[in-house]
Amino acid sequence: GAVVSQHPSRVICKSGTSVKIECRSLDFQATTMFWYRQFPKQSLMLMATSNEGSKATYEQGVEKDKFLINHASLTLSTLTVTSAHPEDSSFYICSAWDLSYNEQFFGPGTRLTVL
Amino acid sequence: SQKIEQNSEALNIQEGKTATLTCNYTNYSPAYLQWYRQDPGRGPVFLLLIRENEKEKRKERLKVTFDTTLKQSLFHITASQPADSATYLCALRSGDDKIIFGKGTRLHILP
Repeated sequence: GAVVSQHPSRVICKSGTSVKIECRSLDFQATTMFWYRQFPKQSLMLMATSNEGSKATYEQGVEKDKFLINHASLTLSTLTVTSAHPEDSSFYICSAWDLSYNEQFFGPGTRLTVL
Repeated sequence: SQKIEQNSEALNIQEGKTATLTCNYTNYSPAYLQWYRQDPGRGPVFLLLIRENEKEKRKERLKVTFDTTLKQSLFHITASQPADSATYLCALRSGDDKIIFGKGTRLHILP
C-alpha cells in the first residue's frame, strides 16, 4: 500500500506559540488529504479536508484561523496550530487519498503537547 | 445526528479462539463500511472494506459482515494470536469519501 509520513512525530511547545505539522505522501500524489484529531480513548475526529491548490474545507466547530492548512503540492499538506493552548494537546493524524487504490492511507500521527 | 457505536470498549479473548467485534450505526446510509487496526501512538491501518451491497468479505483470518437492515457490522478474527492485540476501529465512508470513525474496541489476546 501507499505510504504517508508525518513530521514531527511528537512536539512539546509553550502556550501561545505556533506549531507546524507536515504530512507527506511518499510514493503517490494526493490531491486530497485529511486532518484528524484524536483525544485519549476517543475516536478520530475529522478536522478538515485539504485540497491541493485550493482552500481547505473545515468541519463544523473547527476554527479555520486557529488550524491553518496549506496543501501547496500534490505530496505535501501542512497543519499549523496557531497560538496553541493546553487544550490543543492531542494526537493529530493526517491521511492522503490514493486514487489508484481508491483508499485513504493514514500517517503515523503527531503527538502535540502544549505546556 | 450520525452515530457509530462499537459495543465493547475492551475485549479479552483467549489465544486460538475467534474474536468478534460489533459495530452499530444510526442515522446513516454509508456507501462503505471499513475496519482499521490502530496500535498505541500510531495512525490507523486499513484492514477491510465492505460495500453496502455485500454481505460478507474475507481476508486471511479476518471476516467482516455487513447487515444494512440491522445497521450492523461484525468483525471476526479467527485463530487469534497475541500479535492481534490492538484497537480496532469501525468506520463509515460516505459518498463524498469522508470517513467517520467509531471509538474503537481494545482487543487483548491472552496467551
